[in-house]
Amino acid sequence: NAGVMQNPRHLVRRRGQEARLRCSPMKGHSHVYWYRQLPEEGLKFMVYLQKENIIDESGMPKERFSAEFPKEGPSILRIQQVVRGDSAAYFCASSPSPGEAPQETQYFGPGTRLLVL
Amino acid sequence: AQKITQTQPGMFVQEKEAVTLDCTYDTSDPSYGLFWYKQPSSGEMIFLIYQGSYDQQNATEGRYSLNFQKARKSANLVISASQLGDSAMYFCAMRGIIQGAQKLVFGQGTRLTINP
Repeated sequence: NAGVMQNPRHLVRRRGQEARLRCSPMKGHSHVYWYRQLPEEGLKFMVYLQKENIIDESGMPKERFSAEFPKEGPSILRIQQVVRGDSAAYFCASSPSPGEAPQETQYFGPGTRLLVL
Repeated sequence: AQKITQTQPGMFVQEKEAVTLDCTYDTSDPSYGLFWYKQPSSGEMIFLIYQGSYDQQNATEGRYSLNFQKARKSANLVISASQLGDSAMYFCAMRGIIQGAQKLVFGQGTRLTINP
């Protein structure tokens, strides 16, 4: 059973370019979460999606960031017009069920390290 | 709001010794879950152990155990017989059922170094 897949693992962009980060959840998982980790810090929640729905985007910056989880294909985190402060590790996690119970474990992908030059 | 506090930025332990990583939390949720994740230098996040707020017993998973003291709002991770491969960042996290039920809230982490 393959784990959560993320690609690319490393992404370098110049200021002003767009970054697209992809996440394929574990087989059987239909709930995806994106987190951002700045250097030497813990992970911060960004957005929670189910297929074709954004459930909670309370952690997403209001501008330049968007996320989707289409009916077919991976979840995409898109950052437009990147700035140096966007440099971070972006982690995707997935869970199998509605995830309403506190014990629902989220399994993480390997992360995408974004570097903005 | 939910909050996780890890007060130990770094810990140094001799191989084969036991180590306790501290975690305190704050929440007004009546039911919540507490998690520990390991992040080795390669960067991935590895789930270690889970403790539910209404669980009667402390959770254990192999060499990992969770010292859960609900009244003190602490959920310390205990690693017995430490190994060199335990060197990593360790994150405590929680989620509730009411406040932002879907998201994990993480602490700042503790960097554990196991010395031979």
